[in-house]
Amino acid sequence: QSALTQPASVSGSPGQSITISCTGTSSDVGSYNLVSWYQQHPGKAPKLMIYEGSKRPSGVSNRFSGSKSGNTASLTISGLQAEDEADYYCCSYAGSSTLWVFGGGTKLTVL
Amino acid sequence: EVQLVESGGGLVKPGGSLRLSCAASGFTFSSYSMNWVRQAPGKGLEWVSSISSSSSYIYYADSVKGRFTISRDNAKNSLYLQMNSLRAEDTAVYYCARSSGGSGSHFDYWGQGTLVTVSS
Repeated sequence: QSALTQPASVSGSPGQSITISCTGTSSDVGSYNLVSWYQQHPGKAPKLMIYEGSKRPSGVSNRFSGSKSGNTASLTISGLQAEDEADYYCCSYAGSSTLWVFGGGTKLTVL
Repeated sequence: EVQLVESGGGLVKPGGSLRLSCAASGFTFSSYSMNWVRQAPGKGLEWVSSISSSSSYIYYADSVKGRFTISRDNAKNSLYLQMNSLRAEDTAVYYCARSSGGSGSHFDYWGQGTLVTVSS
């Protein structure tokens, strides 16, 4: 099972919106509404930001939103803030053999 | 407050073994599936293994199948990862992560990780 495909980096200015894509296959992203997104600051543990494609955990800012179309999931961050600068990873359920597959990660730079 | 604290990492020679532990608190450990996820230095996250709440279902990534064994002790609120035949490519920070309740569709809490270095 290959990793999901994410852009290596994205950037935006404070206040702007950015979108990070996560492309899988019909065996993972395309087959299940079980994509989650994690934020990771340097030296820290990942933090759940979005689950089941578009749901936000309690405590996560509504500036973060998720969506899916076909084999591609997306994370959108609106009203960029300096604290959003981090690495972001998508993850999808991939069936009863492989179970979970992550994307390669995207480094978000807030200019 | 949910807490997951990993321990047991360290330096080990290729071919050696190591046992990681994850101590859980702040929730009913026996009701949740648990997972190990690793991150090689400067690299992305990689799912390693999962175990259901009663240990009935166990899954491994192909990269560790046959070498790693996941287990849990619900009486001790602890998760384990026995790692044998270690290779240089197993060098990583290993995170313990809880599967969400219900559908278990995501990892809702993570520990701070423990570093495993495989080198001669």
